[in-house]
Amino acid sequence: DTAVSQTPKYLVTQMGNDKSIKCEQNLGHDTMYWYKQDSKKFLKIMFSYNNKELIINETVPNRFSPKSPDKAHLNLHINSLELGDSAVYFCASSQDGIGQNTEAFFGQGTRLTVV
Amino acid sequence: SQQGEEDPQALSIQEGENATMNCSYKTSINNLQWYRQNSGRGLVHLILIRSNEREKHSGRLRVTLDTSKKSSSLLITASRAADTASYFCATFEYGNKLVFGAGTILRVKS
Repeated sequence: DTAVSQTPKYLVTQMGNDKSIKCEQNLGHDTMYWYKQDSKKFLKIMFSYNNKELIINETVPNRFSPKSPDKAHLNLHINSLELGDSAVYFCASSQDGIGQNTEAFFGQGTRLTVV
Repeated sequence: SQQGEEDPQALSIQEGENATMNCSYKTSINNLQWYRQNSGRGLVHLILIRSNEREKHSGRLRVTLDTSKKSSSLLITASRAADTASYFCATFEYGNKLVFGAGTILRVKS
């Protein structure tokens, strides 16, 4: 069983389109994250949710909107896609991010290419 | 913000040699973690060292932590071709935010 699964794995789309990436974790974790990894492999946190509540919202364009229907799911919707949005997006989860000594589990990533 | 910074940025060694990667961070921490990322894959947790620990071992991995210098090192002994990957250190910032360093790309030649 995949602990953290995200779909799709690859996404190629045109500028201006709207797209969604889905993420699900079956670990029973309370905290979920979205990260963006650029071409230089730098990982930047975008959002963090704890028990369906948004707790971290980094300086991300408001074209990016996370949605957490329940604590096992954290989806990422992106409006009006731009070339600079091309990157690999990772979903992750941890038991409890609030000052806890816990590890994070990552999905396989979604490679988004905007053309 | 980028909490951890790794050096070197890239490291190329022969199979059987040891690989050492370093990480520096800026704020106080509860723990520091190391992750591995194989090409085209997600990150995998390797080891966690708490702020009151100075050294930790796991198989061929040895991690040290110096909180006075705000630095950590990851040593991989007797490296194998399968160790080829990117390695990242990470810390929790402001309790909830798991922040990663820029990573070290390790290449182990067979």
